[in-house]
Amino acid sequence: DVKVTQSSRYLVKRTGEKVFLECVQDMDHENMFWYRQDPGLGLRLIYFSYDVKMKEKGDIPEGYSVSREKKERFSLILESASTNQTSMYLCASSPTGQPQHFGDGTRLSIL
Amino acid sequence: GDSVTQMEGPVTLSEEAFLTINCTYTATGYPSLFWYVQYPGEGLQLLLKATKADDKGSNKGFEATYRKETTSFHLEKGSVQVSDSAVYFCALVNRDDKIIFGKGTRLHILP
Repeated sequence: DVKVTQSSRYLVKRTGEKVFLECVQDMDHENMFWYRQDPGLGLRLIYFSYDVKMKEKGDIPEGYSVSREKKERFSLILESASTNQTSMYLCASSPTGQPQHFGDGTRLSIL
Repeated sequence: GDSVTQMEGPVTLSEEAFLTINCTYTATGYPSLFWYVQYPGEGLQLLLKATKADDKGSNKGFEATYRKETTSFHLEKGSVQVSDSAVYFCALVNRDDKIIFGKGTRLHILP
């Protein structure tokens, strides 16, 4: 079974802090994705990556950056956290052309 | 652009009732179609998929048929259980290999 592991299930940070969300997959998938999920808005794609050291902006990249130094790890970075970034964050991975596999999510609260 | 539209929730049913969650899509060419399920406190799990017209995906008693003529992929189950309470997402992967999600439908099953 594919395993996508997000480092924290729940995280509380303060406004202005730099926040790192980590995601690791164990199936050598080329593609990795970060989404945020908010009530009434569904899933929105923040950033994705098709290969190591490669990144592409999704639909809502503002206020975020990403890092993919190794194939199995894809990090989401909130450079200066703000309260409107309080959300559920979901990481996913997939082989090219195949369905995505999701982690359990990180519920992030920015105070 | 490509899009997925699914019925707004929440949908509330009694145990053993028949379930239909409607999903229609707009896309050029022949996208692959998916249903994902998200149980409380968890990430998304792939429930079923169909990759070409008239394909029927099935899993855990759920079924959906890829209808090219009506651009639909409705999810059905003959007899729902309390354990089916979750959020269901319809999704497509288009010819650019981009996944597009519907906004999700919350399902409540009453005992």
